[in-house]
Order: sequence, then structure tokens, then C-alpha cells
Amino acid sequence: AQTVTQSQPEMSVQEAETVTLSCTYDTSENNYYLFWYKQPPSRQMILVIRQEAYKQQNATENRFSVNFQKAAKSFSLKISDSQLGDTAMYFCAFMKHSGANSKLTFGKGITLSVRP
Amino acid sequence: KAGVTQTPRYLIKTRGQQVTLSCSPISGHRSVSWYQQTPGQGLQFLFEYFSETQRNKGNFPGRFSGRQFSNSRSEMNVSTLELGDSALYLCASSVQGEFYTGELFFGEGSRLTVL
Repeated sequence: AQTVTQSQPEMSVQEAETVTLSCTYDTSENNYYLFWYKQPPSRQMILVIRQEAYKQQNATENRFSVNFQKAAKSFSLKISDSQLGDTAMYFCAFMKHSGANSKLTFGKGITLSVRP
Repeated sequence: KAGVTQTPRYLIKTRGQQVTLSCSPISGHRSVSWYQQTPGQGLQFLFEYFSETQRNKGNFPGRFSGRQFSNSRSEMNVSTLELGDSALYLCASSVQGEFYTGELFFGEGSRLTVL
């Protein structure tokens, strides 16, 4: 079974600064996806960024980037130039790489507050 | 393109009753999965349906069931409600086949309160 751990329950960052959210996971699988999902106060979860385990290059999406350390089973999210709209809960999630599987294993989440 | 639509958005039930929640996936998405979100347990996988067949099931009691129709719409049912079933129930859909990326598209959820 897979587990995902987000040890920081809350973080706060000043607008325009950079913040890093931590995530570790445990799995015996070799081929998998890792995700960061954002859940704003309106509750609809949206994908922030996605990483395929076989790709060594860290994924980047505009102000969002990850530091994927496969051997250490670590997957942190860096948000640059933080904006007020980044205030939300962020969930790290794991999925086995299989076309016949849509099961996400989530971490407990972290509440990020961006201060003006 | 319309997103994932869940109904009802909010509902209140009493212990012992049953509830049915509905989910309409994004057009063309044939996989629908359900998650329970609570402050204590976080997000937990309930089950996944693909082409009207349950393909994956989480660790929930038999009171939780679901189904999928030929148009990919899905329903989940919880019978004999308990106080601990109070939660936000999220539905997610995904594309399958050659366009599969692992990404799930979530609805806004159905907030169930059991009194």
C-alpha cells in the first residue's frame, strides 16, 4: 500500500515571496504519478502540477515547480511570487501508473495562507 | 466544456436514513471515482467506475455503494447513515486510453450532514 505524508499542517507566506511545501511518500511501485492538487475555499480541487516518476526532470508550471527526489521519495512544491489567490489547501497525491487505475492516495494536506 | 457536476450540493439527513448522490462527468470521460473528505481522515478513496463496472474499491463498509450508467453518469448511495458519514463527497472524472495523463477533474462536492 502507498502512503503520502505531509507533515506541515499550515504555512503562511508574504505576497510575492517564495514558499516550499513538503511531501514524502512510500511505495514499492517503480512507475507512478505524483501530483499537487489545490483546493481553494470554494472547495473544487484543481490540479497544480504533475510528475511522472520515470522522468528525472522536475516538472514546472509557470510559478509552480517541484523538487522530485525519487530515491528519497520526496516531492516538494515550490510556489514563486506568491499571490493572494494561492491561498488554499494543497494536497500531495500518488497514483500508480496504470491506464486501469484512477485511485489517488492523498496526504493530509497543508493550509497555505498568503498575506498581503 | 462543462466540468464535473455534482448534485445535490448540500443535504442534511438523520441517522438511519439513506442518501443518493449524483455525479455527471466531463463529456467524454468514462472513468468516475468518488472520494470522502473529512477533517479527521482527510481524503479517502471510495470507489471507481469505468464503463459501468466497478474497477477499484476503497476500504469502506458495504453501506457505501455506487453505480455507473451507460452515459457515464454515476451515483453513490450510503445506507443506514451514521454520524461519522458526515463529510464532503467528491466525484472526479478522467479521460482514459491514449489521452490518459493520470489527472482527475473534480466536482465541487456534495456536503452531507448527518444528524
